Amino acid sequence: DAMVIQNPRYQVTQFGKPVTLSCSQTLNHNVMYWYQQKSSQAPKLLFHYYDKDFNNEADTPDNFQSRRPNTSFCFLDIRSPGLGDAAMYLCATSTSLRDRPYEQYFGPGTRLTVT
Amino acid sequence: ELKVEQNPLFLSMQEGKNYTIYCNYSTTSDRLYWYRQDPGKSLESLFVLLSNGAVKQEGRLMASLDTKARLSTLHITAAVHDLSATYFCGTGTASKLTFGTGTRLQVTL
Repeated sequence: DAMVIQNPRYQVTQFGKPVTLSCSQTLNHNVMYWYQQKSSQAPKLLFHYYDKDFNNEADTPDNFQSRRPNTSFCFLDIRSPGLGDAAMYLCATSTSLRDRPYEQYFGPGTRLTVT
Repeated sequence: ELKVEQNPLFLSMQEGKNYTIYCNYSTTSDRLYWYRQDPGKSLESLFVLLSNGAVKQEGRLMASLDTKARLSTLHITAAVHDLSATYFCGTGTASKLTFGTGTRLQVTL
């Protein structure tokens, strides 16, 4: 089945220790997104790639970086995690379809704990 | 800046009764999405609404869109426990989506 995969599902890191979260997709979608979701809140878009074009949200901290080496993979790097970065990180993909344009398909998420 | 608001934020539903969630957005948009999220899980797409007057139905859920009023509704018919979850609406332009605040539904017997 075509899908969006995130690894790891759970990540524990220490304060200030860099961490990388990964996302892969078999949907061949050209758009990939990273969201941060904290408890009882809506997902917050950090950035997205439209093909190879990187689109950063204005309020995304510099501490968050992303890489998309090819269509299938996208990475979220947190350079120096703080306690406030503990959250669920959601990867999503989309593409332009006539009847369901840019409908986003979400991966299962990575829950990040910062100690 | 696009703002998307949902109300209510929390809805306690009695099994078998009907309810409506409202989603208002602040700027013109040509599409509206509804997603469901179970506790500790990711988001699942429910509906994609693309035009004024669009109505989509799946089981006990029906979504509609009024682009002139910048309003979408999600109507629940005869609520059942399986519908307990958080529901998000979202809208935007091109490939970018802004989510609403979310509505947590809890169905009680």
